[in-house]
Amino acid sequence: SQTIHQWPATLVQPVGSPLSLECTVEGTSNPNLYWYRQAAGRGLQLLFYSVGIGQISSEVPQNLSASRPQDRQFILSSKKLLLSDSGFYLCAWGPGTRFNQPQHFGDGTRLSIL
Amino acid sequence: KNQVEQSPQSLIILEGKNCTLQCNYTVSPFSNLRWYKQDTGRGPVSLTIMTFSENTKSNGRYTATLDADTKQSSLHITASQLSDSASYICVVSAISQNFVFGPGTRLSVLP
Repeated sequence: SQTIHQWPATLVQPVGSPLSLECTVEGTSNPNLYWYRQAAGRGLQLLFYSVGIGQISSEVPQNLSASRPQDRQFILSSKKLLLSDSGFYLCAWGPGTRFNQPQHFGDGTRLSIL
Repeated sequence: KNQVEQSPQSLIILEGKNCTLQCNYTVSPFSNLRWYKQDTGRGPVSLTIMTFSENTKSNGRYTATLDADTKQSSLHITASQLSDSASYICVVSAISQNFVFGPGTRLSVLP
């Protein structure tokens, strides 16, 4: 069966520090991968998606970047965090047959910027 | 503009009662609609997915309906349990492969 792992579960970082959140998927090949951010009481905002290794599409301009070094690994990064980067970050995957809404989400990372 | 609206924004019911959540969308051309349940501090979990030709789909005590003509969907929860307390998110996909998330309805089930 397919599983998705996301870590860490919570993270507290000072303003200006770097960030690296990791997501891995098991049990499937060539998945579409997604990074979302969810502000408190708000809907999910798609940040990045990837349809293959090294292929990253950004949905909104921001202080973050994403990379996909391996088929089942998706990384969210920042060189210098801003207060506005605080939020709940979710990784998700969907079948790679075509770009479609994600079907399975990780348990998220709660990021607090101080 | 493709949009998904959900109502109510929040809802409080007593354990054992039924409730219905609404989703209205303007996404076009329509491909499919999915309902997710998101427990606090967790990722969303898919409950149902419906395509254009499907009017009703059930998953245990959850029943989703779709009216593609009026572009409305509802999620009915029967005999609510405390564990049903969560946010319920409607996601609509267009044939162009764009998808839009609704803001969610926050449901609280009280004993």
